[in-house]
Amino acid sequence: DQQVKQNSPSLSVQEGRISILNCDYTNSMFDYFLWYKKYPAEGPTFLISISSIKDKNEDGRFTVFLNKSAKHLSLHIVPSQPGDSAVYFCAASPGMNTGNQFYFGTGTSLTVIP
Amino acid sequence: DTGVSQDPRHKITKRGQNVTFRCDPISEHNRLYWYRQTLGQGPEFLTYFQNEAQLEKSRLLSDRFSAERPKGSFSTLEIQRTEQGDSAMYLCASSLVYRGSNGYTFGSGTRLTVV
Repeated sequence: DQQVKQNSPSLSVQEGRISILNCDYTNSMFDYFLWYKKYPAEGPTFLISISSIKDKNEDGRFTVFLNKSAKHLSLHIVPSQPGDSAVYFCAASPGMNTGNQFYFGTGTSLTVIP
Repeated sequence: DTGVSQDPRHKITKRGQNVTFRCDPISEHNRLYWYRQTLGQGPEFLTYFQNEAQLEKSRLLSDRFSAERPKGSFSTLEIQRTEQGDSAMYLCASSLVYRGSNGYTFGSGTRLTVV
């Protein structure tokens, strides 16, 4: 049972435009969410996180929005750069320091076209 | 500190053989996790250790799989009698007990191909 879903396997965006990656979850116990970025032949690297007490968290070009009522979060990248081309995974956990595992989505492959 | 190290990076084995992977976490991290990622899927939790104690195992971890962290530092994941369905990327990650806002640090993974 996939508790975290990324329904878009791929996304292509022109350089300089906004990239929006979406993620849905089903488990209402999840209250801590992260985005990881993965290049080929490398492990996932942490990108940005948000806890359920917030609805937005920003870090430079990256912003994550959380809509708890819809059980939906999104990652916005503005402006998109060719180096952002990677697979992005959404992950969820029941608490920042509780829970022992993250539940990952299936990933969205972002291609930023120069 | 060079982060989380995994060895080997790639392993090709014949069906029925045993394989063992090693993970060296970030030195001050006392939690160590193993995940598995198959093609087109996200990482799936297998097991985790706090120091040398294995505190949780996923139902994905069949009796052919065993993980150890004997001295609370490096960890090994062994798969006995490998099957083609075991072909995947095996990811190790580490963290402090209190993860903070950054989640885990992952290694680069070991890609297993069972032929």
